[in-house]
Amino acid sequence: EVQLVESGGGLVQPGGSLRLSCAASGFTFTNYVMNWVRQVPGKGLEWISAIRTSTGGSTYYADSVKGRFTISRDNSKNMVFLQMNSLRADDTAVYYCAKALRENPASDYWGQGTLVTVSS
Amino acid sequence: EIVMTQSPATLSVSPGERATLSCRASQSVGSNLAWYQQKPGQAPRLLIFGASIRATGIPARFTGSGSGAEFTLTISSLQSEDFVNYYCQQYNNWPLTFGPGTKVHIK
Repeated sequence: EVQLVESGGGLVQPGGSLRLSCAASGFTFTNYVMNWVRQVPGKGLEWISAIRTSTGGSTYYADSVKGRFTISRDNSKNMVFLQMNSLRADDTAVYYCAKALRENPASDYWGQGTLVTVSS
Repeated sequence: EIVMTQSPATLSVSPGERATLSCRASQSVGSNLAWYQQKPGQAPRLLIFGASIRATGIPARFTGSGSGAEFTLTISSLQSEDFVNYYCQQYNNWPLTFGPGTKVHIK
């Protein structure tokens, strides 16, 4: 059974940093692109980042987070990370880790999400 | 970046009736289009990818169609659990982008 479990969310002050983690199991982690998607409570979905299969593989970002967020993965531990710096109030959202399909980056499995609140 | 739009924003349908949701891309995305369903308090669920391919376990009442820049999700006979939010997403170009969503509610 595929499982994705996010952790690391919480309350942080504007300008602060936070590192989200996603532990993956139930599939061959090294074979799949991994995505991060966020959602402001009550609002729509926003894709924010993806990383290709190899540790240190190609990474992609939404303009809204480029230069502030960094995605990485550790294939030896089946984990993906999102380092978030220079956080702003509009980064407040539930952050989902999602596994891509083998053939394209659409997401077929999602974690339960972790809430990040940026507030003073 | 490719901008996705969805219409209508809200759709009122009676149980058992057909629902037709539209998604438009600001430029061609070929068939690189997915549809997701999201129930309150839950993570999204992939319904359709490749514009028309049902994901594993998705009932046959969900049908995706279209290509290029115009797409449609049809739910043939709405069940009670279908009255939730739906999002389209293009994955033809980075950054990936979602549409703003359509909320389907009971008429």
